[in-house]
Amino acid sequence: NAGVTQTPKFQVLKTGQSMTLQCAQDMNHEYMSWYRQDPGMGLRLIHYSVGAGITDQGEVPNGYNVSRSTTEDFPLRLLSAAPSQTSVYFCASSYRNEQFFGPGTRLTVL
Amino acid sequence: DAKTTQPTSMDCAEGRAANLPCNHSTISGNEYVYWYRQIHSQGPQYIIHGLKNNETNEMASLIITEDRKSSTLILPHATLRDTAVYYCIVKHYGGSQGNLIFGKGTKLSVKP
Repeated sequence: NAGVTQTPKFQVLKTGQSMTLQCAQDMNHEYMSWYRQDPGMGLRLIHYSVGAGITDQGEVPNGYNVSRSTTEDFPLRLLSAAPSQTSVYFCASSYRNEQFFGPGTRLTVL
Repeated sequence: DAKTTQPTSMDCAEGRAANLPCNHSTISGNEYVYWYRQIHSQGPQYIIHGLKNNETNEMASLIITEDRKSSTLILPHATLRDTAVYYCIVKHYGGSQGNLIFGKGTKLSVKP
């Protein structure tokens, strides 16, 4: 099993550009989520999904969209990137007690 | 979910036990204590969880006080690779397992 994979590992955007961060898991987990982590801070929940076709907002959803068409994939879309979205983004899937995190995507918005 | 309080940082000598405390005085009866850690630049990693009994696995031991208002994560023989930020999180078990609320955690530095 590859676990949770994220692409790309690094990305630089200009203000106003859009992009999609990819997340996939091969553990057949129903629950998936996206977090962001700013320097020196803990993780904050952006959006989550309890299964295909079902998504909901977390603590900091503004500026981000998600969709969940399959169990495996949970992409995060930045509609119009802003410097405040410079961060490290982690995707996770979970089953019962444990969340499994991906390696993260480092995003810089200039 | 209950709020937790952890020290900002701790040091530990390599080979010694690392004892990381966590206060969760507002924990409710059906909330579990979870511990995760984050090694620099990596995604968080699950360590252990418990309700009221002490728990042990291959990574660590979790000691929860009888009144459940605090707990201690014990790494019995810390190594340099255990240097990380450790997060204590209290939440309900199962269901929508997400929505973990990460505070700033404790930065553990294991020194040779």
